[in-house]
Amino acid sequence: GAGVSQSPSNKVTEKGKDVELRCDPISGHTALYWYRQSLGQGLEFLIYFQGNSAPDKSGLPSDRFSAERTGGSVSTLTIQRTQQEDSAVYLCASSPRGAGESYNEQFFGPGTRLTVL
Amino acid sequence: KQEVTQIPAALSVPEGENLVLNCSFTDSAIYNLQWFRQDPGKGLTSLLLIQSSQREQTSGRLNASLDKSSGRSTLYIAASQPGDSATYLCAGRVSGGGSYIPTFGRGTSLIVHP
Repeated sequence: GAGVSQSPSNKVTEKGKDVELRCDPISGHTALYWYRQSLGQGLEFLIYFQGNSAPDKSGLPSDRFSAERTGGSVSTLTIQRTQQEDSAVYLCASSPRGAGESYNEQFFGPGTRLTVL
Repeated sequence: KQEVTQIPAALSVPEGENLVLNCSFTDSAIYNLQWFRQDPGKGLTSLLLIQSSQREQTSGRLNASLDKSSGRSTLYIAASQPGDSATYLCAGRVSGGGSYIPTFGRGTSLIVHP
């Protein structure tokens, strides 16, 4: 079946512009995570959605970052007034069950490489 | 705050060797643990998931174990092949008052040369 997809695969933008990154999780997966991976760094957690619960936004680095998940499926990560330090690969993962449940294996998308000039 | 250390950071070996990659957590209350591989420019591919009630998992030439008492996990790769070349990451979820969001290590970069 189809895996997690993300679009665009690459995005180049100018400092100060807003960007939207999209994630389509595996159908039926209730949990969705966004991470950021900077060069030479580990994965940095950004935000977590589980079903209809309020999202866990504890990893968002500033109020320029926000995310939505519509209809329990597709998610959009928005970065406003982009800065050069926002340049990174943004990864999305989905899981068939919530973070605290069993058999909650994560499946990752290919990522969006964001470059802020 | 949970911190994850992966040792070694990089490894270069000839084909055929058996390998051991290590992952350790500052908070040993690990709920479950997942190993991934990441190829250059790609997302993460899940390799093995060790559930809270398990101590190890095996898939083909891969075996992962989890010692909850010490907060350590080991990924064993048997008879390594050039196609195993990738970065290997571990991610653990902590139980007990936490949010269960996985914390990732920085990975072990593996090169297997013919």
